[in-house]
Order: sequence, then structure tokens, then C-alpha cells
Amino acid sequence: DGGITQSPKYLFRKEGQNVTLSCEQNLNHDAMYWYRQDPGQGLRLIYYSQIVNDFQKGDIAEGYSVSREKKESFPLTVTSAQKNPTAFYLCASRDRTYEQYFGPGTRLTVT
Amino acid sequence: AQSVSQHNHHVILSEAASLELGCNYSYGGTVNLFWYVQYPGQHLQLLLKYFSGDPLVKGIKGFEAEFIKSKFSFNLRKPSVQWSDTAEYFCAVNVFGNEKLTFGTGTRLTIIP
Repeated sequence: DGGITQSPKYLFRKEGQNVTLSCEQNLNHDAMYWYRQDPGQGLRLIYYSQIVNDFQKGDIAEGYSVSREKKESFPLTVTSAQKNPTAFYLCASRDRTYEQYFGPGTRLTVT
Repeated sequence: AQSVSQHNHHVILSEAASLELGCNYSYGGTVNLFWYVQYPGQHLQLLLKYFSGDPLVKGIKGFEAEFIKSKFSFNLRKPSVQWSDTAEYFCAVNVFGNEKLTFGTGTRLTIIP
């Protein structure tokens, strides 16, 4: 069963701690993306990667970091530098027709 | 940079009413257009997409959208909504050859039985 998996579904952290969100895909897609979804703001692009060992900043990359060591995996680290980290985070991959496929998301709460 | 506008933030309709959700984009070149839907508690999933050809595209669950290039619009329609259409709907635009997909702010649709 192909798709995108994100874990965990809910994540709670104290302010000042870094936290890493997992994203795995078995769709054999080269391109992967991280978005942040906030109420009334739609989806905003954090980082994307077109190929292994390469990634680019999206529109709101400050306070986040990523790695792409394997085609299947694109983890996102929310660092303590991110001023407003509490949000719903979505991971996606893209096929050759530019359609994006989304994971179930991780809801991060930082207190 | 391209932008996408969805002017309807929250739409409330009764079952069997007709639906039209607006989507306008700002880029003048060749674009790929998408509508995604997020049902409560579910993944964001594709409703329909337009790349080229017939500007009237049909998607899943009876939805359709019309690309009007002169108006930079890609409005979503459904002739008769059901309670199960309650969801959040996002319009998205990809500039041809660009990696990024730009999303609108979304329209929350509530269907009253």
C-alpha cells in the first residue's frame, strides 16, 4: 500500500527544545516537501527537496532544518529558533505530473 | 511570485444546494491548477487538476472546475452537495516547470443536512 507516513500524529515539546518530525514515502518519488498549516493561512512551504542530498528553502524556512539522505525519507527539525512552532505539519511527495501526495500530518504543540 | 486567492473563507449550504468556490491566481504564464480537499480527520487529497486541453475538468465525487484563462480563475463547482462534502477545500497553482505549489488560504465548507 503506497503512500506517505508521518509520525507521530501528535507531539508535545517544551519551549527551547529541538524536535524532529518524521516523513517516509514508498511512492518512489524524487521530490518531497514540508508544509505548515495554520488556521486561515492555507499551506505554507517550509522546505523542499528535488533529489537525494539536495534541498531548498521554501517561503518560511527560518527556524527549521531538513535532511535528505535517502530517497524515502525527509525529516524536518523544528529548532528552538522557530518563534511560533505550534502548528500542523504536512509532508508531501510529488509525481511526474506535479501532483502532490500528502501524509496524515503531525500536530506539534510547544509550551 | 505567484499568489492564489480564495475569497470565500467559510461557506454554509444546505444539502442539495449548488456549490461554487472561487479561486483566482496571479501568474500570467503557463500554470497547472489543482483543487485539494481535506475531510475532517483525513489526509489532504486531490479532487481534480488541470494541465492543458479542455478547460472544464471533472474530478472525484461529482466535482468539476473550469479554467478561465482570461480571468485567471479556476472555480470549483458541484451541482448538488451532500452532507459528506463538509470539508476544507484548497486551490493550488504550480507554475509550469517550477517545483513549488502555491496554495490558497482555503475555504471551509459546511453542509447542513
